[in-house]
Amino acid sequence: EAGVAQSPRYKIIEKRQSVAFWCNPISGHATLYWYQQILGQGPKLLIQFQNNGVVDDSQLPKDRFSAERLKGVDSTLKIQPAKLEDSAVYLCASSLGDRGFPGELFFGEGSRLTVL
Amino acid sequence: GQNIDQPTEMTATEGAIVQINCTYQTSGFNGLFWYQQHAGEAPTFLSYNVLDGLEEKGRFSSFLSRSKGYSYLLLKELQMKDSASYLCAARSASKIIFGSGTRLSIRP
Repeated sequence: EAGVAQSPRYKIIEKRQSVAFWCNPISGHATLYWYQQILGQGPKLLIQFQNNGVVDDSQLPKDRFSAERLKGVDSTLKIQPAKLEDSAVYLCASSLGDRGFPGELFFGEGSRLTVL
Repeated sequence: GQNIDQPTEMTATEGAIVQINCTYQTSGFNGLFWYQQHAGEAPTFLSYNVLDGLEEKGRFSSFLSRSKGYSYLLLKELQMKDSASYLCAARSASKIIFGSGTRLSIRP
């Protein structure tokens, strides 16, 4: 079974530039999450989708971050404009959701962003 | 609010036993996860507790006390490959909130 796919793996940009990350979850997984993990910290939930609807985006900085999940499958996370403090690993995860084992997350390898 | 606390760092000896504690305060709590994360890699699932008690899975065991808002992960017969961060995560309604992680170092 293919895992969660993310791209790009690494991205270096200057502050005020924009960047987009892509995620393809495990087939059949209804729930998709974007987490931000700053070095030395635990993952922080940015946004959670159930199919193509947003379940929670309370910690998403909406003035600069946006995310969408068209057709309830792939998702993109965009940052525009980027700030130095956005340097982190952006982890995408998926789960079956309530239809299966309650909430085990399967993570992608992450997209490491460096903002200069 | 939501709060998850775990020690920042721990050190243990190869072959020994180590217990990593986690305390949580979340509304709508309905389960506690433990994940392992090696440096530069994504977290991987270790265990899930929803009822009070001990769940054993090979060298790893996880315990939950819902009344105390407390969990621990017990690692036995430590191996060098167990050097990693261990993340405690609480399920609150449909959200999964992670703690900051405990970085475990194993010395020979």
